[in-house]
Amino acid sequence: ETGVTQSPTHLIKTRGQQVTLRCSSQSGHNTVSWYQQALGQGPQFIFQYYREEENGRGNFPPRFSGLQFPNYSSELNVNALELDDSALYLCASSLADRGGGTGELFFGEGSRLTVL
Amino acid sequence: AQTVTQSQPEMSVQEAETVTLSCTYDTSESDYYLFWYKQPPSRQMILVIRQEAYKQQNATENRFSVNFQKAAKSFSLKISDSQLGDAAMYFCAYRRAHYGGATNKLIFGTGTLLAVQP
Repeated sequence: ETGVTQSPTHLIKTRGQQVTLRCSSQSGHNTVSWYQQALGQGPQFIFQYYREEENGRGNFPPRFSGLQFPNYSSELNVNALELDDSALYLCASSLADRGGGTGELFFGEGSRLTVL
Repeated sequence: AQTVTQSQPEMSVQEAETVTLSCTYDTSESDYYLFWYKQPPSRQMILVIRQEAYKQQNATENRFSVNFQKAAKSFSLKISDSQLGDAAMYFCAYRRAHYGGATNKLIFGTGTLLAVQP
């Protein structure tokens, strides 16, 4: 039990729709990062939030956006869904600082998104 | 850009035997971290073992150990006394030591699916 929880666990959307995925960080963690894991692939870094600000982003278009709240929970929003957005979306939290802290990442079980 | 390669899509081992999973990576950095993660069918990524690049000694965690060859950019995982519960997808991952911000950007390989035969 790592304490990172994600919702929903599964969802189905149609192309062009918008989706919001939610993540509750492990207690005491101030950093959350999101990853996209396509079927049969390793996870790809989307972005990271530290103290409510985005402070790192992978190679994903602007229609992928996020929020981190004062309680360090987080949302991932994806607009104008495309078929290739179908994937497992993983949230991970840690205790880190801007100097490059090495806190261990704790992952949630992910949200499986299917875009039809 | 850094890359991580896992050339074994699937591996199989008999219960109680030893298996080695391979990983190579490419980077121009001298300071970084390497990880092995396990992803069972529950989908949750679980950290198996971690290696700091500046440490010459190979990391070990109970039945799990690594063979870290920095010059060859190789990072293999050895699982001794394999158990049925070890069956999962295993991912090798790389992280720069100093991002100045995005401290948790892991670069993952494509994974190796390990089956454990009773």
